Amino acid sequence: SQQGEEDPQALSIQEGENATMNCSYKTSINNLQWYRQNSGRGLVHLILIRSNEREKHSGRLRVTLDTSKKSSSLLITASRAADTASYFCATGNTGGFKTIFGAGTRLFVKA
Amino acid sequence: NAGVTQTPKFQVLKTGQSMTLQCAQDMNHNSMYWYRQDPGMGLRLIYYSASEGTTDKGEVPNGYNVSRLNKREFSLRLESAAPSQTSVYFCASSEVSSGGWDTQYFGPGTRLTVL
Repeated sequence: SQQGEEDPQALSIQEGENATMNCSYKTSINNLQWYRQNSGRGLVHLILIRSNEREKHSGRLRVTLDTSKKSSSLLITASRAADTASYFCATGNTGGFKTIFGAGTRLFVKA
Repeated sequence: NAGVTQTPKFQVLKTGQSMTLQCAQDMNHNSMYWYRQDPGMGLRLIYYSASEGTTDKGEVPNGYNVSRLNKREFSLRLESAAPSQTSVYFCASSEVSSGGWDTQYFGPGTRLTVL
């Protein structure tokens, strides 16, 4: 069973626009992470937000977490063609190990 | 540092054949994982090893076995491959922080086709 569900499943935007992806989950968590996967590659960690944090920034990435709604969003500002990839949210409980990945949002940025 | 390496990159098997997927990490991480990724889906955990000498089942362990050979290496074995095991397999490693979370580092994947 998958804990995180991303929305939308696919997103197509023009270079320079912002991209927003959402993740909803079902049970309480210790942390939520976002990963990126380029076509044919392994996942790469982008950012982690702890359950007691509400917002976090890293470069052009902004992540929010609303534990009352069991949801998170990833915003990529001023997108580039190189941002074209699939983005996954992953939820973890205390102790690690059983991080659960969602099905991902496929982002396509047109040059 | 090579990070997480996996071999082979591609493999085609016939139903009933066996094979072992190899994974090694050079980051001195305690924890290692095997996932499978099917088209349009996220990753599903097959087995994990919290530390050297321990292994535990994940979400989809049936049809697989694992061996944590040492701290660096974690192998996944398919004893009798079935077409349902056609997938991309990813190995990952991590170190659980004192706060109880871990960032996972992934290998490049093995594309397995079972005919």
